[in-house]
Amino acid sequence: QSVLTQPPSVSAAPGQKVTISCSGSTSNIGNDYVSWYQQFPGTAPKLLIYDNNKRPSGIPDRFCGSKSGTSATLDITGLQTGDEADYYCETWDITLSAVVFGGGTRLTVL
Amino acid sequence: EVQLVESGGGLVKPGGSLRLSCAASGFIFSNVWMHWVRQSPGRGLEWVARIKSKTAGGATDYAAPVKGRFSISRDDSRNTQYLQMDSLKAEDTALYYCATGELRAYQWWGQGTLVTVSS
Repeated sequence: QSVLTQPPSVSAAPGQKVTISCSGSTSNIGNDYVSWYQQFPGTAPKLLIYDNNKRPSGIPDRFCGSKSGTSATLDITGLQTGDEADYYCETWDITLSAVVFGGGTRLTVL
Repeated sequence: EVQLVESGGGLVKPGGSLRLSCAASGFIFSNVWMHWVRQSPGRGLEWVARIKSKTAGGATDYAAPVKGRFSISRDDSRNTQYLQMDSLKAEDTALYYCATGELRAYQWWGQGTLVTVSS
């Protein structure tokens, strides 16, 4: 059971928008920055979003992160078949003194 | 170009030990906090341990499942971090990633080294 709760799967059609949620508590999301990662099968994760809503160089603006209270959200607009991957949220938990990840969300582009 | 190259994985019996290494290049190693993150087959990401930079005090933190069994260290002169894993259990079987970054996130990842604990 992950400390951060994500839906196991989401799906949408090409060109549409999808939202992936990440729910936590005041010990983690409510107290620190959230990052998001994309992972394709057999490869290492890739940083998509850091500091809640910032994109590293090279990440398209189709990927947008936000945070409100103890929840965070990753929006992906203009979906492409190449976006099919697993997505993870991550932050620091001050009670556990540990980095915590969400359980991951499998995105299917129909 | 940033590179993180893990090594040291393999097959080990329950109760055994392994030492993982992560050789870094392409950035100022001594400035960053280094982490280990693992992923069991078909499962999600799980943070294992971190070691702060020496300028930040060099403190270490561990995930509850590995505390007391694993030890993280770093050698800034060799641009390398290590993970000493003792008293290994079947549930430690995973792909172990070295991860770090200059942002407040895992900006850079290695390709991972596979640890299999089985009799």
